[in-house]
Amino acid sequence: AQKITQTQPGMFVQEKEAVTLDCTYDTSDPSYGLFWYKQPSSGEMIFLIYQGSYDQQNATEGRYSLNFQKARKSANLVISASQLGDSAMYFCAMRRRNYGQNFVFGPGTRLSVLP
Amino acid sequence: DSGVTQTPKHLITATGQRVTLRCSPRSGDLSVYWYQQSLDQGLQFLIQYYNGEERAKGNILERFSAQQFPDLHSELNLSSLELGDSALYFCASSDDQVQGLTEAFFGQGTRLTVV
Repeated sequence: AQKITQTQPGMFVQEKEAVTLDCTYDTSDPSYGLFWYKQPSSGEMIFLIYQGSYDQQNATEGRYSLNFQKARKSANLVISASQLGDSAMYFCAMRRRNYGQNFVFGPGTRLSVLP
Repeated sequence: DSGVTQTPKHLITATGQRVTLRCSPRSGDLSVYWYQQSLDQGLQFLIQYYNGEERAKGNILERFSAQQFPDLHSELNLSSLELGDSALYFCASSDDQVQGLTEAFFGQGTRLTVV
């Protein structure tokens, strides 16, 4: 069964510093996608970044980058130059090409950015 | 704005009642997913539809049902409601017309409170 683990229930970071949110996954499928979503206190789920299992390079989207280590089955999110607005829950998710391609989410990490 | 519309945003109802949650996917997206987010269980996948057909089923209770209509909007029906059904219900859509593992875009969610 596929599973996503996020071992950090809560994280603190000083404004303007970088922070890494951990995510490990478990699948035996060769083809899968890894995603990060942000959920601010308002509740909506905001897509941040995507990494495909066959992608050779780590994905980047603005201040977000994904540190993909396939052999270790980890897909950590790096946020550079943290801003107060980055305070939110962050979810790592995976979908596989088979099994309906639905998304499986990790338990989330609550990030608090300190001024 | 993700382009996914969910109504209503808030719903308060009594135990034993039945409610219908509605979702309009992003223009062009054929896949619709329903997720339940409660405090103690994280984001739980309920069901996925693709172009009107059920594609995958998660931990959806028998009291719950869903469908996707020809215009691609989807409804999630929750019946014989219990206090434990109180949660945030998300609809998400994705473009799965190609064999890619594309991201899903989420609606704002419907906050269901059963009293």
